[in-house]
Amino acid sequence: AQSVTQLGSHVSVSEGALVLLRCNYSSSVPPYLFWYVQYPNQGLQLLLKYTSAATLVKGINGFEAEFKKSETSFHLTKPSAHMSDAAEYFCAVSDSGGGANSKLTFGKGITLSVRP
Amino acid sequence: NAGVMQNPRHLVRRRGQEARLRCSPMKGHSHVYWYRQLPEEGLKFMVYLQKENIIDESGMPKERFSAEFPKEGPSILRIQQVVRGDSAAYFCASSPRWASERGDEQFFGPGTRLTVL
Repeated sequence: AQSVTQLGSHVSVSEGALVLLRCNYSSSVPPYLFWYVQYPNQGLQLLLKYTSAATLVKGINGFEAEFKKSETSFHLTKPSAHMSDAAEYFCAVSDSGGGANSKLTFGKGITLSVRP
Repeated sequence: NAGVMQNPRHLVRRRGQEARLRCSPMKGHSHVYWYRQLPEEGLKFMVYLQKENIIDESGMPKERFSAEFPKEGPSILRIQQVVRGDSAAYFCASSPRWASERGDEQFFGPGTRLTVL
């Protein structure tokens, strides 16, 4: 069975500061990993995904994440936070070898606040 | 190209009533997934459907919940005799029939927020 752990429920940073959102996963097979962002009262939007190619994955809006198998981690980073980054962020793992029939297992999410 | 559509966006029901949530996948997508988001929780998988078939319903509660994805029309998530604990946001996602690469993205709709009084 797959699982995702996102430590902490809330992260607050100053505008321009580094953003680091942590994600650890558990998987019995090589995982496919995703970060989604959810703005208030909206659906989820894909930020980036890891599908066993490069371990450093670049996504939209300046976000990137690094897959570290030895640490079973897939932390999300952004060098400089912007006010518009305030949202909820979900890490997710896919439970099969990939393909369109893979259900996603989500972490509980982290709310990112950005202070002026 | 419209994204995943869900309606209604907000639904209020009294205990014991039925709730019907609709999801129209993106054009060309024939795989649909339903997830439920309880307050302060992440999304939990409920069911995965292809046209006229339920592929995986391992996340569906055993009673009162059902889902379908007919040959024509939207996918429907139906909750009979709703209780307060059913209050949540219900999200639908879709993906294309063919997998151009492994780990295909699921595209999410805006969700239906169900409130049970």
